[in-house]
Amino acid sequence: GENVEQHPSTLSVQEGDSAVIKCTYSDSASNYFPWYKQELGKRPQLIIDIRSNVGEKKDQRIAVTLNKTAKHFSLHITETQPEDSAVYFCAARETGGFKTIFGAGTRLFVKA
Amino acid sequence: DSGVTQTPKHLITATGQRVTLRCSPRSGDLSVYWYQQSLDQGLQFLIQYYNGEERAKGNILERFSAQQFPDLHSELNLSSLELGDSALYFCASTEGGSGNTIYFGEGSWLTVV
Repeated sequence: GENVEQHPSTLSVQEGDSAVIKCTYSDSASNYFPWYKQELGKRPQLIIDIRSNVGEKKDQRIAVTLNKTAKHFSLHITETQPEDSAVYFCAARETGGFKTIFGAGTRLFVKA
Repeated sequence: DSGVTQTPKHLITATGQRVTLRCSPRSGDLSVYWYQQSLDQGLQFLIQYYNGEERAKGNILERFSAQQFPDLHSELNLSSLELGDSALYFCASTEGGSGNTIYFGEGSWLTVV
C-alpha cells in the first residue's frame, strides 16, 4: 500500500523567513496530494492540495510543488508569521481513491 | 465548522471496558473515515466506509470495529480497552471517489485509565 514519508519532523524559523516541508510517496499511481494544518488540540484543516496533472499550485503565501517522476511533493510557506505555528501533514490518496495516507507530520515553530 | 459531527468530545473509561464513538458526516457525504491520533503522533488510518459498505482498512485492531448505517452516520466500537488506546479519534467525510477533500470532525478524546 501507499507509504508517505515527511521531513523534517520539526522546523523552527524566524518570522518572515520561508519554511519548506518535503514529502515522498511510494505509490506512483497516487493522484491527489493534500496538505493539512493542525493547531494544538484541534482538527486538521485542509490548506492546499494538488492533483497529479499539475506541477505547482499557489495560494497567497502557500505553494505546493509536485514532482511525479521523483514521487515527492513539497509545501512552501513564505513570509512566515507566528500564527503559522502548527503541525503540518502531507497526504497522498491511493489509486481508486479509497485511502488517504498521511505523513508523520512536521511541527513548525515561527519565532517572533 | 467542517460539518462533521463527533460525539462524545471527551471520554474517560477504565481498562477492559468498551466504548462507542459516533460520527455524523457532512450532509450529502457518502464516505466516512476513521483516524487515530496518539499524543504527538501522526494520523493513523483505521477504516473507511462508503455508502454503508466497508471500502478500505488500515491499521485497525481486531478489538476495534466500525459500521456505517443507512442514514450514513458511523460508529467506531473500541473494546477490551488498553492504556495505549488513549488517543484522539477523528472521523472525516468526503463525497467519495478520487480527488475529493477530506473534512475532519473535531475528534473524540479517549482517555483509558
